[in-house]
Amino acid sequence: GNSVTQMEGPVTLSEEAFLTINCTYTATGYPSLFWYVQYPGEGLQLLLKATKADDKGSNKGFEATYRKETTSFHLEKGSVQVSDSAVYFCALSEGEYGNKLVFGAGTILRVKS
Amino acid sequence: EPEVTQTPSHQVTQMGQEVILRCVPISNHLYFYWYRQILGQKVEFLVSFYNNEISEKSEIFDDQFSVERPDGSNFTLKIRSTKLEDSAMYFCASSTTTLQYFGAGTRLSVL
Repeated sequence: GNSVTQMEGPVTLSEEAFLTINCTYTATGYPSLFWYVQYPGEGLQLLLKATKADDKGSNKGFEATYRKETTSFHLEKGSVQVSDSAVYFCALSEGEYGNKLVFGAGTILRVKS
Repeated sequence: EPEVTQTPSHQVTQMGQEVILRCVPISNHLYFYWYRQILGQKVEFLVSFYNNEISEKSEIFDDQFSVERPDGSNFTLKIRSTKLEDSAMYFCASSTTTLQYFGAGTRLSVL
């Protein structure tokens, strides 16, 4: 079945450091890929998405590129802030509208000032 | 900006009791979902709902669970006889396309 694997955390960075959170996936077809973020005490918020190979999703300084050849969708940010501290989930959805999301285990990011 | 609303934010219940978790999806959305997240674990799919019927359900979604859209706005998840292992955060989501929007969740504590 479909699955998503994320790098284990927690990831601890200093403010303004470069962030990479690795995500790889297994899917039978050509899924849409997503990054969701969960701030402390809150629900899941969509951060960015990509729907086909070589698409780059971006939002709030975060970027991720859909790499079909490596089945990856790594999340990057050039300069993190303390307010970026959260749990980041990589997810995929395959097929037509209404299909379930399959999530990775989540990666805790802690940014220190 | 439209949002998915879930109530209550925290529900405490005794083992064996029935609970109903409520969700108001975004008004023009057609697809509805429930997910759960046991503390410290990944978010898991429970069920999806479209056109007034279940379109897909996971192994977790056994006979103890049911979903309903009783009117044009609400979407509920019922657990008939709660178990300790049902303690989790339950998220409702809705979509019109592949983009799913999540509510803030209901934390269910089964004692």
